[in-house]
Amino acid sequence: DAGITQSPRHKVTETGTPVTLRCHQTENHRYMYWYRQDPGHGLRLIHYSYGVKDTDKGEVSDGYSVSRSKTEDFLLTLESATSSQTSVYFCATLGRFTYEQYFGPGTRLTVT
Amino acid sequence: AQTVTQSQPEMSVQEAETVTLSCTYDTSESDYYLFWYKQPPSRQMILVIRQEAYKQQNATENRFSVNFQKAAKSFSLKISDSQLGDAAMYFCAYRANSGGSNYKLTFGKGTLLTVNP
Repeated sequence: DAGITQSPRHKVTETGTPVTLRCHQTENHRYMYWYRQDPGHGLRLIHYSYGVKDTDKGEVSDGYSVSRSKTEDFLLTLESATSSQTSVYFCATLGRFTYEQYFGPGTRLTVT
Repeated sequence: AQTVTQSQPEMSVQEAETVTLSCTYDTSESDYYLFWYKQPPSRQMILVIRQEAYKQQNATENRFSVNFQKAAKSFSLKISDSQLGDAAMYFCAYRANSGGSNYKLTFGKGTLLTVNP
């Protein structure tokens, strides 16, 4: 599992509230990614990071922001949660030698 | 932009039989990787097999093998001797093989595989 943890694992929140999801890795991987998984859509890239303080947008970045102040932590923030952001969120890192992506266990977020 | 298409939302197979999951993709790149991921009910994403576009030989991993047709942009997954533990959602994914791509994955929508005893 490449030492990836996500917190919280489950969260229910109300529309309009801010939410921050945390991804923590122990393998010192440079690249980190946030995806969301929705039925009928597979996994879609939200944001990614290619180093500390270096981030960029993915396919579905509207309504999301990210920060990476340390190699091991990649935070995903929903500034004002909406019901359309109800989803399962996965964090992933890129293996330094394999260049394969390793995924965390996911966070199920429900916005009511 | 690259796209990955899985045309079979659901498939079923009898235990011990063989099943093939389909995937097609679109890209203008010549150097890339293709992957099959398995997602069981636990939700964990598990890499099943990968194929480098420059390798003509189809990848195999135990009971899992691929049929990679580069010209047709097709990448199917064959599961032989299906087991109950193979029941899962399977995702096909594409990645350009360049640092400029930042190694981002593009996923298909998935195929839900049911294994019947």
